[in-house]
Amino acid sequence: EAQVTQNPRYLITVTGKKLTVTCSQNMNHEYMSWYRQDPGLGLRQIYYSMNVEVTDKGDVPEGYKVSRKEKRNFPLILESPSPNQTSLYFCASSSASSGHSYNEQFFGPGTRLTVL
Amino acid sequence: SQQGEEDPQALSIQEGENATMNCSYKTSINNLQWYRQNSGRGLVHLILIRSNEREKHSGRLRVTLDTSKKSSSLLITASRAADTASYFCAFTTSGTYKYIFGTGTRLKVLA
Repeated sequence: EAQVTQNPRYLITVTGKKLTVTCSQNMNHEYMSWYRQDPGLGLRQIYYSMNVEVTDKGDVPEGYKVSRKEKRNFPLILESPSPNQTSLYFCASSSASSGHSYNEQFFGPGTRLTVL
Repeated sequence: SQQGEEDPQALSIQEGENATMNCSYKTSINNLQWYRQNSGRGLVHLILIRSNEREKHSGRLRVTLDTSKKSSSLLITASRAADTASYFCAFTTSGTYKYIFGTGTRLKVLA
């Protein structure tokens, strides 16, 4: 089954304790992305990757790191989490289209993170 | 803000009625996509319309795109209770791969 998986689905942690949220897709998609969703703010893109070893900042990259060493995986790293990073996080992937265009995104189920 | 603006923020209709939601943006875009989200779950893609298209249909969905007005609309015809969800537009601005999402419309369809 074609899917995007995220782990963990729920995480409660404390300020400053490094954590990684994994994301994996089995569709051989070039494009992968991380979003955070906060009430009243919609979805905001954190980082995206156009292909292996190619990543770029979205609208809200501060406090986050990513890497794309393999095509299927795109982990999100919080080196020193803070309470303002409490949010619902989504990973997504899509295949490339022509020009600067990509096709529809497939979303993972989300990771609900609470930083105390 | 680069975010797309959607209106209305919330919409409540009776089953069988049509629902229209609008998305406006500020820059040139590559394509525009509409997504549905059920109560904090992952988003599901509904329809994609490219910048050189004006209208697209998929089942009960009809999307229009007016690049001169920088706006798009999503029409759901003959709505059902199962259509109750939040709907988001999303787009990449021309020359970039960065996605911008709209603020969303919460649709409630009453049985």
